[in-house]
Amino acid sequence: DIVMTQSPDSLAVSLGERATINCKSSQSVLFSSNNNNYLAWYQQNPGQPPKLLIYWASNRASGVPDRFSGSGSGTDFTLTISSLQAEDVAVYYCQQYYSPPFTFGQGTRLEI
Amino acid sequence: VQLVESGGGLVQPGGSLRLSCAASGFIFSNYWMHWVRQAPGKGLVWVSHMSNDGTTISYADSVKGRFTISRDNAKNTLYLQMNSLRAEDTAVYYCARDHGYGGDSDYWGQGILVTVSS
Repeated sequence: DIVMTQSPDSLAVSLGERATINCKSSQSVLFSSNNNNYLAWYQQNPGQPPKLLIYWASNRASGVPDRFSGSGSGTDFTLTISSLQAEDVAVYYCQQYYSPPFTFGQGTRLEI
Repeated sequence: VQLVESGGGLVQPGGSLRLSCAASGFIFSNYWMHWVRQAPGKGLVWVSHMSNDGTTISYADSVKGRFTISRDNAKNTLYLQMNSLRAEDTAVYYCARDHGYGGDSDYWGQGILVTVSS
C-alpha cells in the first residue's frame, strides 16, 4: 500500500499570511501515460464531510477559491493557501488515488 | 447532488450491519462510488470502491473478507454489508461519488455512525 505522510501535523498561521502543508507518498503517484499525479487535497470542518479542494495535484475543484493551490509531482506535494482567511481553519488531508487502497495522509490541523 | 447514508447504529462485536447510500441529483449509473470511514477524533480511511457497472471492486486490507460493497443502479443506491464487526470498525461511514478523474471524490454524504460495542 502507498503510505501518505503529511507535515506538519498542526500549523498556526496569522490571518492574511501564507499557509503551506506538505504531503509525501511512499512511491510515485505520477501516471506516466497521461502525466497526471493522482493526488487530491480535501478540507474538513468539524462535524462535516470532507470537501474536495484539489485534484490531479494542482487542479482546483469547482467553486474552490483561487487562494488555494496545489503543486508537486512524483512523491512530494504541497497545498498552499496564499492568504489565510478565518473560514480556512480546518483539517486538511491529502489522498493518493494512483492505486487502491486510496490512502489518505494523517491530516494537518490548521489554526489561526 | 445528494448522498444520504442510512443503516448505522449500535451493534455488538461479531455482528452485522448493512449501510445504504441513496443517491440523487445525478446519473448514478455513470459513476464509480466509494466508502470512506473516520473513527471518532481520527483521520479519514478509504474503505472500498465500486465501478459504475459493478464489475470492478477494491477493499482496504482491514475490511477485506468482512465487508462487501454493492450497488443497485435501478434504485440509485450504494450498499456496504459489514460482517464480523470489531470495535475498531467504530466510525462515521461516508459514501462519496467518484470525481471521474481516477479516484478522488467530489461529493460526500453527511455520514452515518456505526458503533461496535458490547
